[in-house]
Formats: sequence, C-alpha cells, structure tokens
Amino acid sequence: ETGVTQSPTHLIKTRGQQVTLRCSSQSGHNTVSWYQQALGQGPQFIFQYYREEENGRGNFPPRFSGLQFPNYSSELNVNALELDDSALYLCASSYGGVGETQYFGPGTRLLVL
Amino acid sequence: AQRVTQPEKLLSVFKGAPVELKCNYSYSGSPELFWYVQYSRQRLQLLLRHISRESIKGFTADLNKGETSFHLKKPFAQEEDSAMYYCALSPNDYKLSFGAGTTVTVRA
Repeated sequence: ETGVTQSPTHLIKTRGQQVTLRCSSQSGHNTVSWYQQALGQGPQFIFQYYREEENGRGNFPPRFSGLQFPNYSSELNVNALELDDSALYLCASSYGGVGETQYFGPGTRLLVL
Repeated sequence: AQRVTQPEKLLSVFKGAPVELKCNYSYSGSPELFWYVQYSRQRLQLLLRHISRESIKGFTADLNKGETSFHLKKPFAQEEDSAMYYCALSPNDYKLSFGAGTTVTVRA
C-alpha cells in the first residue's frame, strides 16, 4: 500500500507569482483534502475533492484553486502569491467523504519572498 | 462555526508520570473528535478518534459533552511519546478543524 505523496518538498516563490502543488492519494482513496499550516498553528482546511468534484471549501480566497484527476491525484494552485501564503501545505486522502479517517502526506513547504 | 482550543502550547513531564493534554471545542451539534500526533520528522497521523473508543499506545480520550472537552490522557508517559499533538473536530462533514497543537516533551 502506497501512502500519500506530495511534490515538491519545498519551494521558494516571489510575491505575485503562481504556484502548483501536487498530491498523490493513498491507494484505494478517492478523496483529497488540502490544508494550510502556518508556523506555530494547526492545519487549516482549504478544500476537499471527492471523485473529481469540489466537495467543500474553507475560508480561503478564490486565488486558491484545485483539481482532482481521474486517478484521484490532486493539484493545489495559488495565484498572485502573497507573503502570508508562506506555510506548509498538507494533502490528506481518504476513502469516501464524510467522517472517514484522513491520511496525511509529508507536506510542501512554500516560502514567498 | 466550530472552534478547537488547546490551552497548552508546551507540556513537559517526566517519564512514568501521567500526562493530560487539554482540548476544548465549541460546536452546537455532535461532532466527531480526533487526536492527531506528529513525531519528529514524521507526517501527521491519527492517534485516536472518539467514535472508535480505542486505546492507542496507552492513550485514551473521553468526550465530555457538558464541558465540551476531549482531553487526551496517558497514565505513564514514555520518552517515545514526545511529539506534537493536535486535537481536531469534524462536524460530520468534509473538513477537520484543528487546534493550535501542544508540544509534549517527556524527560528521562
């Protein structure tokens, strides 16, 4: 069984740029959730994708967008990067939507200068 | 809106001593509650969830609906319990709401 993987592990961008983060879900899982974890804080929910459709969204602006592909892998895109977007971005996969245990990836550390 | 509060950012205990991590939540319904743990250089992983009522690695957590708390306890802490612990709530939908976390250090 392959766990959740994320790429890249870390990257540096400048303000105003765009970034794409990738996540491969655990084998057999059809749901991917994305979280942002700022330094010293707990993860904050960005959105969830279930069977290629957005299944819910947290309090993040529209410049945070995502996709889920037929193989259930997912992308998180952030446009017009701001300094406050610097954080660890976590992806979690699960089977089904409501109430299922989420399995987390190692995260992508994004630094915006 | 739901909210999870972990009042202690840091907790230091001696090996063999009891440890209790506090978690309080605000939510009007009956949420699902979780404890997640992150060991050094490892990914965030589920420790236990309320609905399963399991004891994992000697840890237990009791849901007190009257006090809206879900404190995590272990009677005898071990050095390998040193980690960051997050309490999380799911209001029976798609997302997890996390607390800010408690760093536990178990000293020999």
